[in-house]
Amino acid sequence: QVQLRESGPGLVKPSETLSLNCTVSGVSMSSYYWSWIRQSPGEGLEWIGYVYYSGSTNYNPSLKSRVSISIDTSKNRFSLKLAAVTAADTATYYCARVMGQLWAFDYWGQGTRVTVSS
Amino acid sequence: SSELTQDPVVSVDLGQTIRLTCQGDSLTKSFVSWYQQKPGQAPLLVIFAKSSRPSGIPDRFSGSSYGNTASLTITGAQAEDEADYYCHSRDNSGNLVFGTGTRVTV
Repeated sequence: QVQLRESGPGLVKPSETLSLNCTVSGVSMSSYYWSWIRQSPGEGLEWIGYVYYSGSTNYNPSLKSRVSISIDTSKNRFSLKLAAVTAADTATYYCARVMGQLWAFDYWGQGTRVTVSS
Repeated sequence: SSELTQDPVVSVDLGQTIRLTCQGDSLTKSFVSWYQQKPGQAPLLVIFAKSSRPSGIPDRFSGSSYGNTASLTITGAQAEDEADYYCHSRDNSGNLVFGTGTRVTV
């Protein structure tokens, strides 16, 4: 079955770069979009961006200047980098698969909590 | 940027029907999806493409849309339906956007 698993540091210092990986199993990454979504404590869901298996990307305009998402299909993995983090970037970060051209998220990772603090 | 607005809290009695709404001027209705999120869990897709249900989602969940409003209806709400619900769509610029979320209490 399709599984996604986030990994990365749970604590990042202010002004540094947050880096997370999402490892995908049970499915080929080809022909899909792969996305990052976050949720601040007690808040709603926020789309961060997505990457196509070919490497093309699209980002949330509010985060675009700080975000980079890449993909390595040979390792069945895609990654998130968020630069110059502040306390406002403290959140649970989810990776998810986009359901083709229907633009729904059909498979999600369990989420990883990232705290920005010195 | 686009916004999708949902009622913050909706209450329903056990077994009754509830309709959650999602309003947005740039809503691309064919791409509307709905997610259920319980505390400490990742969101779960319950409706995609406006009105389709993924495998395993009970048929008491249904979706529809009219004008700039999309709806999720739970017919015969169960205790396990108590959760946060988020709508989602793709706007005219190709960006993905979530609604503000509705907390459903049963």
